Amino acid sequence: DQQVKQNSPSLSVQEGRISILNCDYTNSMFDYFLWYKKYPAEGPTFLISISSIKDKNEDGRFTVFLNKSAKHLSLHIVPSQPGDSAVYFCAASFNSGTYKYIFGTGTRLKVLA
Amino acid sequence: ETGVTQSPTHLIKTRGQQVTLRCSSQSGHNTVSWYQQALGQGPQFIFQYYREEENGRGNFPPRFSGLQFPNYSSELNVNALELDDSALYLCASSLREAGAQYFGPGTRLLVL
Repeated sequence: DQQVKQNSPSLSVQEGRISILNCDYTNSMFDYFLWYKKYPAEGPTFLISISSIKDKNEDGRFTVFLNKSAKHLSLHIVPSQPGDSAVYFCAASFNSGTYKYIFGTGTRLKVLA
Repeated sequence: ETGVTQSPTHLIKTRGQQVTLRCSSQSGHNTVSWYQQALGQGPQFIFQYYREEENGRGNFPPRFSGLQFPNYSSELNVNALELDDSALYLCASSLREAGAQYFGPGTRLLVL
């Protein structure tokens, strides 16, 4: 049972344009969501997070939007840069005494120069 | 500030053997979580350690076990290795009361 889904395995965007990565979840108990970026041969790097009490969180070029009624979150990168080319994972968690993350399968973003 | 480190970076074992992977948490972090990432998949939660005790476990058999030491570093042990155990093993550290987990570079295990 895949509780966190990233339905687009890949995405190509022109440099300078907006990149939008999407993530859907099924468990309504999730209350904390994160995005990670992963380069080959490296561990995931934390990008941005959002609590379920918010619907938007912004950090520089990265903005995460949360739509709880649709159980959907998205990551916007504006403007996209070639260095943003990586695999992006969304993750979700809820406090069950353990802060374990449930990850999606990732979306490979390619930013074209 | 030192980030999360893992050793070794790569490892090759044969089926039935045992393996120990090591992780040093980020300075100031008291919680360590271990994840398994198979090719083309997202990381899957194995277990978490807080104050030297297991604090939650994913759907992994008992042959996956771990330890956390007083300095918050951790080990992941896998007994009776199977071919399907071939994966990238990631360690992440965090403050228990905070959300974000910070990952190390991983150990790539190949079981032949």
